[in-house]
Amino acid sequence: ETGVTQTPRHLVMGMTNKKSLKCEQHLGHNAMYWYKQSAKKPLELMFVYSLEERVENNSVPSRFSPECPNSSHLFLHLHTLQPEDSALYLCASSQGAVPAEGYTFGSGTRLTVV
Amino acid sequence: DQQVKQNSPSLSVQEGRISILNCDYTNSMFDYFLWYKKYPAEGPTFLISISSIKDKNEDGRFTVFLNKSAKHLSLHIVPSQPGDSAVYFCAASGRGASGSRLTFGEGTQLTVNP
Repeated sequence: ETGVTQTPRHLVMGMTNKKSLKCEQHLGHNAMYWYKQSAKKPLELMFVYSLEERVENNSVPSRFSPECPNSSHLFLHLHTLQPEDSALYLCASSQGAVPAEGYTFGSGTRLTVV
Repeated sequence: DQQVKQNSPSLSVQEGRISILNCDYTNSMFDYFLWYKKYPAEGPTFLISISSIKDKNEDGRFTVFLNKSAKHLSLHIVPSQPGDSAVYFCAASGRGASGSRLTFGEGTQLTVNP
């Protein structure tokens, strides 16, 4: 596999459930990101990991909990979500802060909270 | 405060004609700009970029223009093809600053009609 892979592609969960989104990159990049895409809104940066260390947390509610066990893997643990958290969650990676070609994105996980 | 704005949520053009997508930004520290293209069920993919030291960058059918005084950039696609139908995101970064990140606009849905 090459590029950035996200699983699952689709997820429906109840507000009391706990689930995790997974992201894996095979590009040898040293930074990974979680973005949230809601309809008609800009991509919102949620978390940034650089060299497996969280370097940025953009006021994201604690019901979202990221984990980066190594430079190739990134998780987003979800618990007690709200319906307004329904969105497309995109993972991205890069070598360095902003390389010439920007970030490489995965295909996303379409999350629906019921 | 939204620093990157794409005011047109959608654009429809005829095949063979020019598509012009617009983007405005407010942060004068931004010095690097990118356009991404996103098909349904896929992540955004890098299309073309421009540094603030230039006012134009061309790659095949795609040209990006930057007007720094107006804090405005545009993406021209000519001739437009049906396969260009996608959501186009503008992104900006203060690449010279430490901890720089990509900031995205809301996206513009381009539809190219055969």
